[in-house]
Amino acid sequence: AQKITQTQPGMFVQEKEAVTLDCTYDTSDPSYGLFWYKQPSSGEMIFLIYQGSYDQQNATEGRYSLNFQKARKSANLVISASQLGDSAMYFCAIWTYNDYKLSFGAGTTVTVRA
Amino acid sequence: SQTIHQWPATLVQPVGSPLSLECTVEGTSNPNLYWYRQAAGRGLQLLFYSIGIDQISSEVPQNLSASRPQDRQFILSSKKLLLSDSGFYLCAWSVPRARNTEAFFGQGTRLTVV
Repeated sequence: AQKITQTQPGMFVQEKEAVTLDCTYDTSDPSYGLFWYKQPSSGEMIFLIYQGSYDQQNATEGRYSLNFQKARKSANLVISASQLGDSAMYFCAIWTYNDYKLSFGAGTTVTVRA
Repeated sequence: SQTIHQWPATLVQPVGSPLSLECTVEGTSNPNLYWYRQAAGRGLQLLFYSIGIDQISSEVPQNLSASRPQDRQFILSSKKLLLSDSGFYLCAWSVPRARNTEAFFGQGTRLTVV
């Protein structure tokens, strides 16, 4: 079984500041991947960043970085230098390679203020 | 290149009517396929996923069913819709047996049951 928990339903951040979105997970599969997606009001799902369970370094993609703490089973997303276009819902997801099941958390709504 | 087609984009159906949502992937073979439902402002609930033409896993017992009549076609159906079936339905695919690739989503179907 796998489970993803996002405890922050909504967050406000000032433009140009950094924001951290929390994500904890639980799985019995030793081989898994963690993802973050962005969903603007249009509904499309935009892939942001990926972290594999055996990756030694934290993943980074432009202004996005993933703070992976395997022992704590957490995979927090950090968005640096927030922009107004970052206002959206953000989802953490886990993918177990044993069965390729992909499960999502409840999401966090981020609102960037000018 | 690979593309995913999901239709219709919007749908209004009366309670008790049947449902058929179709998802087709182009440009790849034997993709992993997923159906999700999202209530307004909520997270993505995994409904079904399939790693092969004869392998469909159901995550949530309800009045929905899924079929995979062809390798790259995934259909979500219901014989009799309930009001609670309203939501945003998303189809997604991923590369089979890949460890560092994200899932790609369709544009979604907004279903309103009246």
